[in-house]
Amino acid sequence: DTAVSQTPKYLVTQMGNDKSIKCEQNLGHDTMYWYKQDSKKFLKIMFSYNNKELIINETVPNRFSPKSPDKAHLNLHINSLELGDSAVYFCASSLPGAVHEQYFGPGTRLTVT
Amino acid sequence: DAKTTQPPSMDCAEGRAANLPCNHSTISGNEYVYWYRQIHSQGPQYIIHGLKNNETNEMASLIITEDRKSSTLILPHATLRDTAVYYCIVSAAGGTSYGKLTFGQGTILTVHP
Repeated sequence: DTAVSQTPKYLVTQMGNDKSIKCEQNLGHDTMYWYKQDSKKFLKIMFSYNNKELIINETVPNRFSPKSPDKAHLNLHINSLELGDSAVYFCASSLPGAVHEQYFGPGTRLTVT
Repeated sequence: DAKTTQPPSMDCAEGRAANLPCNHSTISGNEYVYWYRQIHSQGPQYIIHGLKNNETNEMASLIITEDRKSSTLILPHATLRDTAVYYCIVSAAGGTSYGKLTFGQGTILTVHP
């Protein structure tokens, strides 16, 4: 009965590779987000989608591309991975009328070597 | 969004009330105060939010000063499981921010036996 789930939990890969992180929520929410938490523990929003439409796109390199096949899923694809992409990535979701009450997933720890 | 200031760390004895302060002197009239926490190695968890009235839910109480320039999150009976980083966030409920949570450094609360 997990509310927001992410796969994989850990991802270790080499520079230059392309990888994807999947996120699914079973809360019936319309809005989903991706956040990045770096090694200094700063948590920063990357993207938000409402009903499969991109709403927020922070200053994120074009190598990062979110994809929302339906309202319950928001996947994050990263091309040409760099060392600086190493971080924990969190997916979150919320109701459209309560966008600041977000439910977060457990995170995906990405390590680029 | 208005900037917030929190003490970097606080201690609390188990069973006692934990009072976490937050200053947000530049808060605008339409901005809410949100509190989240992040337990080690987990995703952030929404706790409570308020506009100008005091709020209480099953997790905590939120006290907002009359001038709205500061607030206090109260965990009435802290347990060891409340040890976490607590984030105070100020944001308008809608508009262009649309769910963009800006996390600062937060307060590391350590509950000890």
